[in-house]
Amino acid sequence: GQQLNQSPQSMFIQEGEDVSMNCTSSSIFNTWLWYKQDPGEGPVLLIALYKAGELTSNGRLTAQFGITRKDSFLNISASIPSDVGIYFCARHHNAGNMLTFGGGTRLMVKP
Amino acid sequence: DTAVSQTPKYLVTQMGNDKSIKCEQNLGHDTMYWYKQDSKKFLKIMFSYNNKELIINETVPNRFSPKSPDKAHLNLHINSLELGDSAVYFCASSPGLGSYEQYFGPGTRLTVT
Repeated sequence: GQQLNQSPQSMFIQEGEDVSMNCTSSSIFNTWLWYKQDPGEGPVLLIALYKAGELTSNGRLTAQFGITRKDSFLNISASIPSDVGIYFCARHHNAGNMLTFGGGTRLMVKP
Repeated sequence: DTAVSQTPKYLVTQMGNDKSIKCEQNLGHDTMYWYKQDSKKFLKIMFSYNNKELIINETVPNRFSPKSPDKAHLNLHINSLELGDSAVYFCASSPGLGSYEQYFGPGTRLTVT
């Protein structure tokens, strides 16, 4: 089953609004990754977090690695229509170098 | 210019058939993967290959047989297709083991009728 719990599952917001979504786990992680999937495309890495407490920005996106190492949040400021898509958190596994993804947060932006 | 490419983009076939999906990356990466995304958008790893060798098989039925003729290619062959195989299949690559960033292809939407 899913090891990563993302919330909310979906959001419908007005253009210009700020957005916040988070991801939690019962296990401690060493790395948090945030991906975005545009409709009809593959996921693209947005932000990677490597240390507990780390706060990293990428343009209008900001993500933080929770101090307990069991959670992370992603904020999007001043949303625009092209922010539409599904946002996934993911953890990295050393074995096989594979990723485990959360269930995703589907973001819809109304112009 | 395409970093990770997959063919075909769409595949519609009947139960019981055998089909293949091809994946190529021109990034010079050592590690390649196959992921499956179901109708609820859950993304799950299937296979991980490094330098043409299988590293991880995440309890995928043996009807699925990946093949890596060289480091730039990882193809997925599926025998005796079932309805539950309908999904979007993503190929991905990364520079090597230990690299967190994976680059995904555009996906192949497989529909089994």
